[in-house]
Amino acid sequence: GIQVEQSPPDLILQEGANSTLRCNFSDSVNNLQWFHQNPWGQLINLFYIPSGTKQNGRLSATTVATERYSLLYISSSQTTDSGVYFCAVVAFGTASKLTFGTGTRLQVTL
Amino acid sequence: EAQVTQNPRYLITVTGKKLTVTCSQNMNHEYMSWYRQDPGLGLRQIYYSMNVEVTDKGDVPEGYKVSRKEKRNFPLILESPSPNQTSLYFCASTPGHSSYNEQFFGPGTRLTVL
Repeated sequence: GIQVEQSPPDLILQEGANSTLRCNFSDSVNNLQWFHQNPWGQLINLFYIPSGTKQNGRLSATTVATERYSLLYISSSQTTDSGVYFCAVVAFGTASKLTFGTGTRLQVTL
Repeated sequence: EAQVTQNPRYLITVTGKKLTVTCSQNMNHEYMSWYRQDPGLGLRQIYYSMNVEVTDKGDVPEGYKVSRKEKRNFPLILESPSPNQTSLYFCASTPGHSSYNEQFFGPGTRLTVL
């Protein structure tokens, strides 16, 4: 099956810093989403981005489908950004099943 | 408000005592699915449903049952729970069974089986 790798696995930032999270996937995909899992365990949709670039406030994402990677940018980080960030993809022929990456655990400190 | 709801949010039970986790969505979505999340194993799909009365196994279906009698509801049934089913469970839905659609997740159900 498709492999989804995220880097870095862990990241500690001071408030106000910027960061880039990466997601590599091993095969062509129909769908790519970024999620934030908050400390209460809830999965929050950040971006639906099978290709191209999107921005939402301090967050933006870029997916280059032909090169099989996606990037999530967090600017001016805040403590509320802490949590785990997941990339998830739907591979061709898998009937909407999301395959999740291993996640990047982000901690933003004061 | 468009949402996916799950109940209960937290549950502690004992081995062998049948339980049902409910999932409901108010977005008229055709496709619904269940995932479990475990440390070191990530999120894995348990079952999915492409429409009413159409369900199929995901990657880890053993020990679970589902039903889809109405479009909005997709309950997860554990007929004889065991400790290895202790996990965080998520229900998800998406507009169609095409994979070119954004998926939305419920708030999660944290289950402990003693």
